[in-house]
Amino acid sequence: QKEVEQDPGPLSVPEGAIVSLNCTYSNSAFQYFMWYRQYSRKGPELLMYTYSSGNKEDGRFTAQVDKSSKYISLFIRDSQPSDSATYLCAMSNYGQNFVFGPGTRLSVLP
Amino acid sequence: DVKVTQSSRYLVKRTGEKVFLECVQDMDHENMFWYRQDPGLGLRLIYFSYDVKMKEKGDIPEGYSVSREKKERFSLILESASTNQTSMYLCASSPGTSGLEQFFGPGTRLTVL
Repeated sequence: QKEVEQDPGPLSVPEGAIVSLNCTYSNSAFQYFMWYRQYSRKGPELLMYTYSSGNKEDGRFTAQVDKSSKYISLFIRDSQPSDSATYLCAMSNYGQNFVFGPGTRLSVLP
Repeated sequence: DVKVTQSSRYLVKRTGEKVFLECVQDMDHENMFWYRQDPGLGLRLIYFSYDVKMKEKGDIPEGYSVSREKKERFSLILESASTNQTSMYLCASSPGTSGLEQFFGPGTRLTVL
């Protein structure tokens, strides 16, 4: 079993849809959970990060962590064509171990 | 804005060649990282550095070495390039000791023939 699993997609949705992106992980020591966005031919950029369980909202983006289920999600409301990218989850136990998921490719169709 | 630059966007080398990939960051970050990105495998950490002249192995260090002589520069070296090292190489930097928020360069697409 991989340490972090993520549905590779591609996921295609119409503009305005709510998007749900998910990751599962196996290492219960992870405390920090991050979502990165990577546009084609660019490096990843950090969207948001959360500590431990709970929700965090930033504009149209909401990150959710359920440590009991070892499951994290990123929700995108009112999705836009500019959201088309690959989304990578990442997790860490504060510098000891930092692991990325393989990424989900998202296409938002106008 | 934090800027991380990589020396080349595309590189083609022959098997057995020594390859240098350079990365420079302009925000005085302590931490620097080298990853490779392959389809279906995501980002895999090769080496990282928390300080000048300091280096730590990541998950896949075999066949690679690194050098950090100055705080802003982190070099990845392929001592003898092989075809299985064909990949996208990404450099990143981050402030502080946690490495949580990493700033990435645009990547170098390396092809080894």
